[in-house]
Amino acid sequence: EPEVTQTPSHQVTQMGQEVILRCVPISNHLYFYWYRQILGQKVEFLVSFYNNEISEKSEIFDDQFSVERPDGSNFTLKIRSTKLEDSAMYFCASSEGWGAEQFFGPGTRLTVL
Amino acid sequence: AQKVTQAQTEISVVEKEDVTLDCVYETRDTTYYLFWYKQPPSGELVFLIRRNSFDEQNEISGRYSWNFQKSTSSFNFTITASQVVDSAVYFCALSEALSGNTPLVFGKGTRLSVIA
Repeated sequence: EPEVTQTPSHQVTQMGQEVILRCVPISNHLYFYWYRQILGQKVEFLVSFYNNEISEKSEIFDDQFSVERPDGSNFTLKIRSTKLEDSAMYFCASSEGWGAEQFFGPGTRLTVL
Repeated sequence: AQKVTQAQTEISVVEKEDVTLDCVYETRDTTYYLFWYKQPPSGELVFLIRRNSFDEQNEISGRYSWNFQKSTSSFNFTITASQVVDSAVYFCALSEALSGNTPLVFGKGTRLSVIA
């Protein structure tokens, strides 16, 4: 069964460093998302992406964040200068259409020291 | 604004008991979608069900059942004859048609512990 994959599973970085989180969505899906979950809290929407552009973003997704679909399969989230409060689990998700169920990857746990 | 409330933070039951997880939502839209996801201790988010606002029929899938009531803006989830493997955090989520790309708004989750 097709699934969303994410790499790495765990990333440790120093404050101020740039990180890139990678995702491979399900191949026939058209909508892509990033969410984050701070430990013990709810899942929060960051950004959605469709037709090679951002379609919606939350207030969390400030200028330090960017997303890219560099080729036909990868979908990346970049944090330019990480802060301690960026420590969280980051989930990528994809869906095949508008309003369809979103399938989540296993997540990348980002730890900022 | 859209909002999902899961008032039960933690529930603990003994194996084989039935348990209902509550979800109440707020939305200004007439077309929306409701979801339940399971997050086991391993951390992944597992899709369980999707329901659109025009379909109020209850659904049963094995030991799982869902009760959608627009009149009370609720979408409750019942596990019958609970098992230890059901222990997880369960999230209810909402997306509105107005949002176009329909990002999910999650509730805070209910942690279910099933004790053998």
